[in-house]
Amino acid sequence: GAGVSQSPSNKVTEKGKDVELRCDPISGHTALYWYRQRLGQGLEFLIYFQGNSAPDKSGLPSDRFSAERTGESVSTLTIQRTQQEDSAVYLCASSLALSADTQYFGPGTRLTVL
Amino acid sequence: AQSVAQPEDQVNVAEGNPLTVKCTYSVSGNPYLFWYVQYPNRGLQFLLKYITGDNLVKGSYGFEAEFNKSQTSFHLKKPSALVSDSALYFCAVEDHNFNKFYFGSGTKLNVKP
Repeated sequence: GAGVSQSPSNKVTEKGKDVELRCDPISGHTALYWYRQRLGQGLEFLIYFQGNSAPDKSGLPSDRFSAERTGESVSTLTIQRTQQEDSAVYLCASSLALSADTQYFGPGTRLTVL
Repeated sequence: AQSVAQPEDQVNVAEGNPLTVKCTYSVSGNPYLFWYVQYPNRGLQFLLKYITGDNLVKGSYGFEAEFNKSQTSFHLKKPSALVSDSALYFCAVEDHNFNKFYFGSGTKLNVKP
């Protein structure tokens, strides 16, 4: 594909349900990032993946959040037992290399927890 | 705590006038600095970055930014604003020692004809 794609574009869920967000990076990009953007706020860095290295999970907001990536392809961000404060736009980005490189962003998934 | 500040929620300029969007940061070491732009209903796009070298970096669409180490600032500038520059601008800082990325809260630029 030409760019980073994310699915779904919108997700409305009930409090307490689990959700899974998907990101397809640009082919050949070794680094992949997840961010959260709450309404009117900046991007909050959640986690990155670089090649086959173990990800640094310290940026994840709580143990309800988890993320996986298979090789250098698709990544999923899972939120268990969603809470209303999880409502936000979740952005994924990818880059050729981890450091000092331009990040290419997807359109985001807008998550609304009722 | 590590942080990036964009002190202005909104900047208004007239078309043809110079513009400045401010960014200051509090990140240890020698971080890498970026500007991204988000046009309405579109995703974030890269504008420019400072890694090392000349303090003045030039980027897309005629934008430039000046790195000032003593003031820990990386202000975005353009000599002559266009209406089409109206968008949301984000300053970002990479702490490459710890692979952490920090974004400012964004500044909405309004360029009026």
